[in-house]
Amino acid sequence: NAGVTQTPKFQVLKTGQSMTLQCAQDMNHEYMSWYRQDPGMGLRLIHYSVGAGITDQGEVPNGYNVSRSTTEDFPLRLLSAAPSQTSVYFCASSKPPPGDGYTFGSGTRLTVV
Amino acid sequence: GQSLEQPSEVTAVEGAIVQINCTYQTSGFYGLSWYQQHDGGAPTFLSYNGLDGLEETGRFSSFLSRSDSYGYLLLQELQMKDSASYFCAVGSGGYNKLIFGAGTRLAVHP
Repeated sequence: NAGVTQTPKFQVLKTGQSMTLQCAQDMNHEYMSWYRQDPGMGLRLIHYSVGAGITDQGEVPNGYNVSRSTTEDFPLRLLSAAPSQTSVYFCASSKPPPGDGYTFGSGTRLTVV
Repeated sequence: GQSLEQPSEVTAVEGAIVQINCTYQTSGFYGLSWYQQHDGGAPTFLSYNGLDGLEETGRFSSFLSRSDSYGYLLLQELQMKDSASYFCAVGSGGYNKLIFGAGTRLAVHP
């Protein structure tokens, strides 16, 4: 049981490049979310999903796209990377109701130069 | 909109008890959760309060008062390994839309 798997763990992008951060979970969780965490700050919600085919915007969605074609996968796409998107990105999943909480992946450390 | 307030830092000694408070403002409240995060690691779930009252899990307890929009995390018998950041989070407009506070950094000293 791998839990929540994020790839890559580290990435350096040039300004204007695009890329996809991968997230996969094997717990059959319906809820999945993407967060970004900047130094010394809390986690800010980017996008979230309640099931395959259903996504919604969080607190800071600009510059990011998501899709949820399967229960297992929830990729995050950066359309045109900017230095302000330098951050640690966490993917998380949960079953409803959230009595057992969200399980987080180990994170992707992204630097945009 | 939504906002959560928690102290930025707390310091305590081994064996002591510490309480981390969290006040929140949100439309459509769906429970208060607590997460722990060690430096360089991922957040891990500690507790969830959907109803008023106290929830106990080992050395950790969490409390919620919905009428006061307030909750706290109580850590007893502190150990050095409890040094970490602690985040409160609320379901805002749904269980699935989890909004986090800025976190409280707990330092436990011998």
